[in-house]
Amino acid sequence: KQEVTQIPAALSVPEGENLVLNCSFTDSAIYNLQWFRQDPGKGLTSLLLIQSSQREQTSGRLNASLDKSSGRSTLYIAASQPGDSATYLCAVSNDYKLSFGAGTTVTVRA
Amino acid sequence: DGGITQSPKYLFRKEGQNVTLSCEQNLNHDAMYWYRQDPGQGLRLIYYSQIVNDFQKGDIAEGYSVSREKKESFPLTVTSAQKNPTAFYLCASTRRHGTDTQYFGPGTRLTVL
Repeated sequence: KQEVTQIPAALSVPEGENLVLNCSFTDSAIYNLQWFRQDPGKGLTSLLLIQSSQREQTSGRLNASLDKSSGRSTLYIAASQPGDSATYLCAVSNDYKLSFGAGTTVTVRA
Repeated sequence: DGGITQSPKYLFRKEGQNVTLSCEQNLNHDAMYWYRQDPGQGLRLIYYSQIVNDFQKGDIAEGYSVSREKKESFPLTVTSAQKNPTAFYLCASTRRHGTDTQYFGPGTRLTVL
């Protein structure tokens, strides 16, 4: 059974600092890995999807890397802004199902 | 605008009642999903449907039921058999099951009184 872990559970940084969010998973036989953003009381918004054959994916200030062999992914957010405050969840797809981590709640202080 | 809608946003249920949560998508996606989210936990899969008139149990299906009579609609019924139904329920869809990005609705918060 796939286990997905995100550490730390919460993170607070001053505006302008780069954010580094970690995700680890136990079963490396994945189809893809996705990063989502969730605002309080809202649904999830997809940020990046990395296919199992890829090493990284970029979108604007966001960059996600994937190391299948070690079961790790990292989401980098450059030059953080208060609007980046949210919970970030990673999810891995194998056996045609998504398994989610519990998320990292980020607060960016102005 | 294309997207996923869920209704109602908030729902209150008395002990012993069945309630139905609505999920509609106009993205022309084949696959649809229901997840449950509890505080401090990741999303857990309740049911999914790869195609009309077909659905499969997820990891926590006990006490829930679904139907998929139309491509656009995937309602979830929370039955009285579900012992702890208070949670945030999220519906999602994807173009093809298992390999594409999942798109999520805004969620329904269910509270048992």
